[in-house]
Amino acid sequence: AQSVTQPDIHITVSEGASLELRCNYSYGATPYLFWYVQSPGQGLQLLLKYFSGDTLVQGIKGFEAEFKRSQSSFNLRKPSVHWSDAAEYFCAVGTTGANNLFFGTGTRLTVIP
Amino acid sequence: DSGVTQTPKHLITATGQRVTLRCSPRSGDLSVYWYQQSLDQGLQFLIHYYNGEERAKGNILERFSAQQFPDLHSELNLSSLELGDSALYFCASSVDTGRGETQYFGPGTRLLVL
Repeated sequence: AQSVTQPDIHITVSEGASLELRCNYSYGATPYLFWYVQSPGQGLQLLLKYFSGDTLVQGIKGFEAEFKRSQSSFNLRKPSVHWSDAAEYFCAVGTTGANNLFFGTGTRLTVIP
Repeated sequence: DSGVTQTPKHLITATGQRVTLRCSPRSGDLSVYWYQQSLDQGLQFLIHYYNGEERAKGNILERFSAQQFPDLHSELNLSSLELGDSALYFCASSVDTGRGETQYFGPGTRLLVL
């Protein structure tokens, strides 16, 4: 069965510092991987996705993620965090059998001045 | 703005009642998905409709049902409500049922059962 683990419940970073949010997945075949962001009171917005090809994926708002099959990981990175990046971040996996998404438990990002 | 609309934004009701949540997908999208976000269960897939037909079921309770109408809008019906049904219910849409397709999420309906 597929699953997604986001080991960090809450991360605090200083504005301008780099960011890495971890995501590990479990799925037997090649997964489809997504990162979504949820701002307070808002729906989920897609940051980026991977389904094939280049393992380094560029997304919106300066985010990127790298798919590492050997580590079953799809970590999200940003070189310099802005205060507006404070939000909850969800990693999700889609399977070849269905188009619904399985989400991790989320990582809440706090940005301090 | 994702283009997916959900009504109402907030809903407060009592245990044992029945409510209907409504979702309008993005123009041109044929697939609609329903998800539940709660503190204890996280974000969970409930059900997927494509062009009026049910395509997949997730962790959806028997007290819950959904349908997609000819104009492609969808409704999620929750009956015999319990306190534990309090959650944020999201609708998402995509163009087709292709694997890896982007799902666009609506702003959600926050349900509070008292």
